Amino acid sequence: AQSVAQPEDQVNVAEGNPLTVKCTYSVSGNPYLFWYVQYPNRGLQFLLKYITGDNLVKGSYGFEAEFNKSQTSFHLKKPSALVSDSALYFCAVVRGGSASKIIFGSGTRLSIRP
Amino acid sequence: EAGVAQSPRYKIIEKRQSVAFWCNPISGHATLYWYQQILGQGPKLLIQFQNNGVVDDSQLPKDRFSAERLKGVDSTLKIQPAKLEDSAVYLCASSLTQDGYTFGSGTRLTVV
Repeated sequence: AQSVAQPEDQVNVAEGNPLTVKCTYSVSGNPYLFWYVQYPNRGLQFLLKYITGDNLVKGSYGFEAEFNKSQTSFHLKKPSALVSDSALYFCAVVRGGSASKIIFGSGTRLSIRP
Repeated sequence: EAGVAQSPRYKIIEKRQSVAFWCNPISGHATLYWYQQILGQGPKLLIQFQNNGVVDDSQLPKDRFSAERLKGVDSTLKIQPAKLEDSAVYLCASSLTQDGYTFGSGTRLTVV
């Protein structure tokens, strides 16, 4: 079975400071990992993904994430937060090479204060 | 390329009424998904289609929810009769391969 945990319901960061949104996963086999962002009254927008290769993945809007196989984590990071980054962030996992579905975490609300 | 189209954007119905949602995936995407997102929670898969066949409907409340994708392209999700707890955003997504999923803007359903 696949599962994703986002241990923080909310993360508060001052503008200009670095931010981290945590994600851990559980899946048998090779994981495909994703981060999506959701703004109010909008659908899910793709940020970045890890399929294979370099453990550090760079994505949209200056975000990046690091795949850590030993810790089964895929934390989302950004060196300098913007107020416009305030949104709901979802981590998701798929078991690679199978017909399995994409499973989402419960989401983390990121709030960037000016 | 055009995105995943969903309609309507919003729907308000009374409990025990029926409602239907429509999704048109990205052209050529064989796999289509319907997710339910309750406020404050992550999306939960309701049903997954591969072309016009069902791959996974294990979390679909089959006593009231139904979905079809007759020609392997667009899809409809129906709820009959609706309950208050069905209030949620219903998201449609499509994919060509496992490493790329595109979501529609969703339909926000309010059951009163």
